[in-house]
Amino acid sequence: KQEVTQIPAALSVPEGENLVLNCSFTDSAIYNLQWFRQDPGKGLTSLLLIQSSQREQTSGRLNASLDKSSGRSTLYIAASQPGDSATYLCAGIMDTGRRALTFGSGTRLQVQP
Amino acid sequence: DAGITQSPRHKVTETGTPVTLRCHQTENHRYMYWYRQDPGHGLRLIHYSYGVKDTDKGEVSDGYSVSRSKTEDFLLTLESATSSQTSVYFCAISDQTNVPGELFFGEGSRLTVL
Repeated sequence: KQEVTQIPAALSVPEGENLVLNCSFTDSAIYNLQWFRQDPGKGLTSLLLIQSSQREQTSGRLNASLDKSSGRSTLYIAASQPGDSATYLCAGIMDTGRRALTFGSGTRLQVQP
Repeated sequence: DAGITQSPRHKVTETGTPVTLRCHQTENHRYMYWYRQDPGHGLRLIHYSYGVKDTDKGEVSDGYSVSRSKTEDFLLTLESATSSQTSVYFCAISDQTNVPGELFFGEGSRLTVL
């Protein structure tokens, strides 16, 4: 059974700090990995998608990397802002038949003003 | 934003009653999914569809059925709701052609079973 793990479960940082969120997965035959943001009581907003042939993707202050050999992905947030406070979820597709995401349990981020 | 609409957004029902949640998309995407989100369990796949009338089970499918008679609609039915099915349900869509693609999620449907 494929598993996705996110550490830490919660993180509090002061505004302006650069931070890294970690995601690990058990199946190195991952086809793509997607990072989401979820605000309380809301749906999931897709942040970045990394295809298996890619090593990283960037969008504004966000950079996500994928290392299939080590089973790890990281989400780097530069110059954090209070508006970045949310839960961040990583998820991977590891079965090309089903093509469904397997999710980690998320990292709850609080950026202090 | 991807055109995904879930209905109802909130529902309270009693144990033993049938419940149907609807997911409607305007993107003409082939794949549609139902997930549930629970504290301590994250998001788990209930059922998915890879085309009209083509559906398959996910990891937590017991007690749920689905139907997809049109590309744009994917229905999730709880035949006889139980308290353990109290959850937030999310629909997702994906335009997966040759390679696994990006999934987009709806706003969720919060179901409470008393």
